[in-house]
Amino acid sequence: GNSVTQMEGPVTLSEEAFLTINCTYTATGYPSLFWYVQYPGEGLQLLLKATKADDKGSNKGFEATYRKETTSFHLEKGSVQVSDSAVYFCALNQAGTALIFGKGTTLSVSS
Amino acid sequence: EAGVAQSPRYKIIEKRQSVAFWCNPISGHATLYWYQQILGQGPKLLIQFQNNGVVDDSQLPKDRFSAERLKGVDSTLKIQPAKLEDSAVYLCASSPIRGVENTIYFGEGSWLTVV
Repeated sequence: GNSVTQMEGPVTLSEEAFLTINCTYTATGYPSLFWYVQYPGEGLQLLLKATKADDKGSNKGFEATYRKETTSFHLEKGSVQVSDSAVYFCALNQAGTALIFGKGTTLSVSS
Repeated sequence: EAGVAQSPRYKIIEKRQSVAFWCNPISGHATLYWYQQILGQGPKLLIQFQNNGVVDDSQLPKDRFSAERLKGVDSTLKIQPAKLEDSAVYLCASSPIRGVENTIYFGEGSWLTVV
C-alpha cells in the first residue's frame, strides 16, 4: 500500500540556518504530494503541494520538488525563523482518496 | 470563506464513558474525513464520506467508534465506551468533489483525554 516516510526529529536549528526535512514515498501510480504544518496548539495547515513529477511547490519561503525518480519530496527553506518552529508532515493522496501522512518532524528554531 | 468547524475543542472523560464530536465542513465540500492523531504520530484516517455515503471506514474501530453524515453536510463522530488509548486529537477535514488539486482542508481538531 501507499506510505510516507519522513526523517525523524527533532530538528534543532539556529535562526537563519538552512532547513531540509527529507520525505520519501511509496505509491502506485502518480500521487499528489503535500507538506502540512502544525503549529503548537493549532490544527493542520497546508504549506505547499505538488501534483505531478518535477512540479515545485512553494509557500512562505519553503520549497519542495516532486522527484519521481527518487520518490522524494524534501522540504527546504533557505533561512528559518523562530516562528517556523512547528511539526511538519509530509503526505500523499491519489484522486478521491484520503491523505496518508508521515509521522511528522518537529522543528525547533532558536534565536 | 469559513473553514472547517469542529466542537468541542477539548474534552476530558473517564474510561468507559461516551463522547461525541461534531464537524461542519467547508460549504460545498462533498467529501468529509475524520482522522485520529495520537501524540507524536501522524494523523490516521478513521472514516471518509462522500456526501452522506461511506467511502472508506476500514480503520474505524467499529466496536466502539461510529460516525454519521446524515444530510451530507455536517458529521458526528462518537466513541462509546472510551478507552485510555483513545486519547488523541480528532481532526475533521473536507475537500471538494471536483478538481484535480485534491487539497484537503483541516479543522483545528477536538482534543480528547480519557482518564
